[in-house]
Amino acid sequence: AQSVAQPEDQVNVAEGNPLTVKCTYSVSGNPYLFWYVQYPNRGLQFLLKYITGDNLVKGSYGFEAEFNKSQTSFHLKKPSALVSDSALYFCAVRTGANNLFFGTGTRLTVIP
Amino acid sequence: KAGVTQTPRYLIKTRGQQVTLSCSPISGHRSVSWYQQTPGQGLQFLFEYFSETQRNKGNFPGRFSGRQFSNSRSEMNVSTLELGDSALYLCASSSEKTSGNSYNEQFFGPGTRLTVL
Repeated sequence: AQSVAQPEDQVNVAEGNPLTVKCTYSVSGNPYLFWYVQYPNRGLQFLLKYITGDNLVKGSYGFEAEFNKSQTSFHLKKPSALVSDSALYFCAVRTGANNLFFGTGTRLTVIP
Repeated sequence: KAGVTQTPRYLIKTRGQQVTLSCSPISGHRSVSWYQQTPGQGLQFLFEYFSETQRNKGNFPGRFSGRQFSNSRSEMNVSTLELGDSALYLCASSSEKTSGNSYNEQFFGPGTRLTVL
């Protein structure tokens, strides 16, 4: 069975500091991993995905994620946080079918 | 291209009623998926449609149903509403191919917030 864990409900970081939002996964077979962001009263916006290839994936708005197969992790990172990055972040794994299994979400707050 | 649109944005219904939500995917996208988002259960997959056929289904009761039209627009219906059906219902489209293994990202609409009283 597929599962995704986001161990932190809340992450606080000062503006300008690097940020990390953690995600670990458990899947049978090759993992297809995604990060989405949700702003208040909005749908989800795609940030980046890992399907195959380089372990470091670059995405929208300066975000990147590192796929680590041995640690079964796919942490989201950004070198310098902006106040506008404050939002709810979801890690997701795609199952064999075309549906996403989401983690519980991590609320990121960037403090000015 | 216009994004995924969902109508209505907000709905208030009472227990026992039924509701129909609508989703228009991005032009050219043939796959439409529906998700339910609640504070307690998070984001859960409802079903996916591709070329007017339900291709995948999540673990929801039969009160939840959907369909897709030839223009790829999709509707979902919830009958005999319960209080627990109050949620944000999100629709997503992707440019999946027939085989379903192109692993393209899904693009989400703004959602329909359903409140059941």
